Amino acid sequence: AQSVSQHNHHVILSEAASLELGCNYSYGGTVNLFWYVQYPGQHLQLLLKYFSGDPLVKGIKGFEAEFIKSKFSFNLRKPSVQWSDTAEYFCAVRKNNNAGNMLTFGGGTRLMVKP
Amino acid sequence: DGGITQSPKYLFRKEGQNVTLSCEQNLNHDAMYWYRQDPGQGLRLIYYSQIVNDFQKGDIAEGYSVSREKKESFPLTVTSAQKNPTAFYLCASSIVVHEQFFGPGTRLTVL
Repeated sequence: AQSVSQHNHHVILSEAASLELGCNYSYGGTVNLFWYVQYPGQHLQLLLKYFSGDPLVKGIKGFEAEFIKSKFSFNLRKPSVQWSDTAEYFCAVRKNNNAGNMLTFGGGTRLMVKP
Repeated sequence: DGGITQSPKYLFRKEGQNVTLSCEQNLNHDAMYWYRQDPGQGLRLIYYSQIVNDFQKGDIAEGYSVSREKKESFPLTVTSAQKNPTAFYLCASSIVVHEQFFGPGTRLTVL
C-alpha cells in the first residue's frame, strides 16, 4: 500500500529561521504531490502542488517545495518563517494512474514559530 | 460566496447512537470526499464519490455510511458499529484530478 511519511511531528523555530519539512512517499509510479496547511481554527488549504514540469514549485506565502524523484521526496521549504506560519502542515500524494482523485496524506507536522 | 459548509461544528453522541454529519458545496464540483483526522495520523479517507448516486469505500469505511443523491450534498452517517468514532471529520470536494478543497470540519465526541 502506498504510504506517505512526514519525519518531523513537531517543529519549533524562532522567527526568521529557515524551515524544511520532510515528506517521502512509497509509490513507484507517476505521482502528483501536494502540501496543505491547517492554521489554528481554519480550513485545510492548499499551499502548493506538483503535477509535472519544473520540480521546484513555488506556493503561497513564500513557501516552495522540491520534487526529487530519485529520493521519492517532496520537501517543503521557507527561507525565513514568521509567527503567522504556526500551523499544521500535511503532505499528500495522488497516484497518477487511479481513476479517481484519492489522496494519501502524511501524518502531519505541527510547526510552532516563536516570536 | 462559494465554498464547502459542514454542520454541525461540534457534535456529541451517546454510545450506540447513529449520527449524520452534513456536507454541502456550491462549487459545482463532481467529486466529494470524507476524511477522518486523528492526531499524528493525518487524514484518512472514509468514503468518496465521483458522481451523483455513486460512491466508493476509502481506507477506513467500516462503521460509516454515505449517500450522494444530489451533486451538492454528501452526508456521512457514523453508525454504532464504528468502534472509535471520536475524531475530527473533514469533507472535501474537487473537480476530478484537481486539488481538493476542504470544509471547516465537524468535531464528533462520543460520551
